[in-house]
Amino acid sequence: GQQVMQIPQYQHVQEGEDFTTYCNSSTTLSNIQWYKQRPGGHPVFLIQLVKSGEVKKQKRLTFQFGEAKKNSSLHITATQTTDVGTYFCAGAESGGYQKVTFGTGTKLQVIP
Amino acid sequence: NAGVTQTPKFRVLKTGQSMTLLCAQDMNHEYMYWYRQDPGMGLRLIHYSVGEGTTAKGEVPDGYNVSRLKKQNFLLGLESAAPSQTSVYFCASRSQPSTDTQYFGPGTRLTVL
Repeated sequence: GQQVMQIPQYQHVQEGEDFTTYCNSSTTLSNIQWYKQRPGGHPVFLIQLVKSGEVKKQKRLTFQFGEAKKNSSLHITATQTTDVGTYFCAGAESGGYQKVTFGTGTKLQVIP
Repeated sequence: NAGVTQTPKFRVLKTGQSMTLLCAQDMNHEYMYWYRQDPGMGLRLIHYSVGEGTTAKGEVPDGYNVSRLKKQNFLLGLESAAPSQTSVYFCASRSQPSTDTQYFGPGTRLTVL
């Protein structure tokens, strides 16, 4: 079945440093979503990418979808303590709109 | 508009006991999902439903059953709980295939002793 891997598993950064997490799928995706989960909370939708090579920005967050639609990245510029949490990617297979497969997540810790 | 709600929030079971987790959404969404999340792992799909009266198996369905008798509710049942089912369970819903945004409930923390 489809597998979605994320690296790194954990990342500790000093406040103000940049952070990047990478997501790789074993199969071609129709779209990819990114979610953030705060400690003790539930996943919250951040963004969805659909087109090959797509780049979207949300303030300090930049999301990219690979040309082959098998990988994606999330980059945070100048991290803040409010960025703490686990970031998950979730990919839907081409033609499979009913369910998505979540990545293993990257846990971000920001040191003030 | 409460979004997605889950009951109960916490539960402790003994091995072999049964229980039902309730998920309710008031957004008139067609698609509903049950996930489990274990420490250090992502979310794994247990079962899902693409509409009232339908259910389908996800990645880890063994030991669980589900029902979607009403569009707004999706029930997850454990017939004979096992310690391996200790986890946090999240329900999610989505409106339509072309909009894959999933809205998650607050989760149910289940411990099986």
